[in-house]
Amino acid sequence: AQTVTQSQPEMSVQEAETVTLSCTYDTSENNYYLFWYKQPPSRQMILVIRQEAYKQQNATENRFSVNFQKAAKSFSLKISDSQLGDTAMYFCAFMKIQGAQKLVFGQGTRLTINP
Amino acid sequence: SQTIHQWPATLVQPVGSPLSLECTVEGTSNPNLYWYRQAAGRGLQLLFYSVGIGQISSEVPQNLSASRPQDRQFILSSKKLLLSDSGFYLCAWSVRPLRGTEAFFGQGTRLTVV
Repeated sequence: AQTVTQSQPEMSVQEAETVTLSCTYDTSENNYYLFWYKQPPSRQMILVIRQEAYKQQNATENRFSVNFQKAAKSFSLKISDSQLGDTAMYFCAFMKIQGAQKLVFGQGTRLTINP
Repeated sequence: SQTIHQWPATLVQPVGSPLSLECTVEGTSNPNLYWYRQAAGRGLQLLFYSVGIGQISSEVPQNLSASRPQDRQFILSSKKLLLSDSGFYLCAWSVRPLRGTEAFFGQGTRLTVV
């Protein structure tokens, strides 16, 4: 079974700083997708970024980028020039391509951006 | 465009009462459907997922059940609620077969069992 681990329950940085959120996962699959979701206080789940395992190039979306290390099964999220609106819970998630396409989440990291 | 509706938004139920939470998806066909529970300040626990009508996979043994009577309808039920069933429940869908699309989430239901 796939598992996703986020080892940082809470993080706090100053506005405009860069912050990196960690995520590791365990799987025997070779092809899969990884995601970072954001859950602001409204509790609406919002996709931040996705990564396809067979692509070596790290995904980027504006201020958000990932460091995908397939051999190490690591998928960290870097937020550059952090903004107050980035304050939220961040979840790392895994979905395999073959077989049962269930989306498995980590426990989340509560990120606070301070003014 | 695709949308997902989940209701009710909040629910307060006494212990021992039944539960029915409904989720419907519009604008797509044959989606994967998911039910998650989020305890306060915690992560999302996958409860059930479905790849088709009548096809339900349960991830954890518990007091809840799920059904998919129609292609775009997913229902979470309980015959007798427990205090431990309190939490925030999220329904989600994704495209089948998977092409790297993300899962889209409903607004959630905050359930309080008293």
